[in-house]
Amino acid sequence: AQSVAQPEDQVNVAEGNPLTVKCTYSVSGNPYLFWYVQYPNRGLQFLLKYITGDNLVKGSYGFEAEFNKSQTSFHLKKPSALVSDSALYFCAVRDGLHGSGNTGKLIFGQGTTLQVKP
Amino acid sequence: GAGVSQSPSNKVTEKGKDVELRCDPISGHTALYWYRQSLGQGLEFLIYFQGNSAPDKSGLPSDRFSAERTGGSVSTLTIQRTQQEDSAVYLCASSPGQSSGNTIYFGEGSWLTVV
Repeated sequence: AQSVAQPEDQVNVAEGNPLTVKCTYSVSGNPYLFWYVQYPNRGLQFLLKYITGDNLVKGSYGFEAEFNKSQTSFHLKKPSALVSDSALYFCAVRDGLHGSGNTGKLIFGQGTTLQVKP
Repeated sequence: GAGVSQSPSNKVTEKGKDVELRCDPISGHTALYWYRQSLGQGLEFLIYFQGNSAPDKSGLPSDRFSAERTGGSVSTLTIQRTQQEDSAVYLCASSPGQSSGNTIYFGEGSWLTVV
């Protein structure tokens, strides 16, 4: 079964410092990995995804993520954090669309709260 | 451009009442998902529609929950005889469909409070 783990409930960084939000995954077959961000009282916004190709994926708002197959990780990174980056971040793996019972649904981690302090 | 639209954005209902939550997906998207987000429970898959195929209802938590999708577009999630534990944010999402690489886009959610 596909699964995603976000080992940190909360990450605290100072504004201007680099940030990393960790994610590890377990899949059968090729992984399709996603990051979403949720601001308070809002829905989920897509940040970036890894499908194939370059291991470093660039996304919205200056975020990037590095796919590491040997470590089964897909950590979210940003070189210089902003206070406005403070939000809840979700890593997800997409279930395959083929085969019995597969819906292509996203399977989410528990989320990591990022707090960026001035 | 139009994203996934959900209504109502907020709903307060009395225990035992029925509620309907509506989702209007992005135009042309054939796949539609409902998720529930509860405090401390993360994001829980409820149901999936793909085109004219039979929906995958495997995530619905009880028979009080049902959903339909009319004409392959708008979807309604119905919760009958609401209970306090149904209080949550109900998120709808849509995707172009058949490729696992397609992005799934979410609406702003319907915030349901059962009192």
